[in-house]
Amino acid sequence: AQKVTQAQTEISVVEKEDVTLDCVYETRDTTYYLFWYKQPPSGELVFLIRRNSFDEQNEISGRYSWNFQKSTSSFNFTITASQVVDSAVYFCALSAPMDSSYKLIFGSGTRLLVRP
Amino acid sequence: EAEVAQSPRYKITEKSQAVAFWCDPISGHATLYWYRQILGQGPELLVQFQDESVVDDSQLPKDRFSAERLKGVDSTLKIQPAELGDSAMYLCASSPNRGREQYFGPGTRLTVT
Repeated sequence: AQKVTQAQTEISVVEKEDVTLDCVYETRDTTYYLFWYKQPPSGELVFLIRRNSFDEQNEISGRYSWNFQKSTSSFNFTITASQVVDSAVYFCALSAPMDSSYKLIFGSGTRLLVRP
Repeated sequence: EAEVAQSPRYKITEKSQAVAFWCDPISGHATLYWYRQILGQGPELLVQFQDESVVDDSQLPKDRFSAERLKGVDSTLKIQPAELGDSAMYLCASSPNRGREQYFGPGTRLTVT
């Protein structure tokens, strides 16, 4: 079965602190994709990153970085020098070719509050 | 920048009434998804189209929900009759193809009274 676990329900930090959002996934597929989405208060899901299961290189995009470790089935997301605009709910998701669907299986989300 | 369009943004309806949501995906995207997001949870897939064909509707409550994408472009999701438990955010997403990143529209927030 496919499953994504985001154990941190809510995180509160002060602006400029670094914060890491955890994501653990389960799948039997050898080919799969992992995603992070941001959902600000407006409600729209914003795509942040997609990684495939064969590429374990860490990725950095500005203040955002992602750490993919197959050995621990984790795909963690770090925001460096957090800003108030980073306040949102962040979802980790998994996509695998079950029944040709590749539907996104989402975690329950982590609500990040960045205080000024 | 191309975006997924959805309408209406908000809908309030009484239970037992019919309601319909519309989605226009990013031009050229073959795959279209409808998700439902209950407050405090992650989205869950209702139905997935590849062009005009349904790929996955295993989680769609077919006794009251229907979806179509007749010409393989825009799509409509209908609920009839609406129930109190249908109150949620309905999100449409499109993707160039299966397995690729999905781009979401702004959603329709449905409240059933």
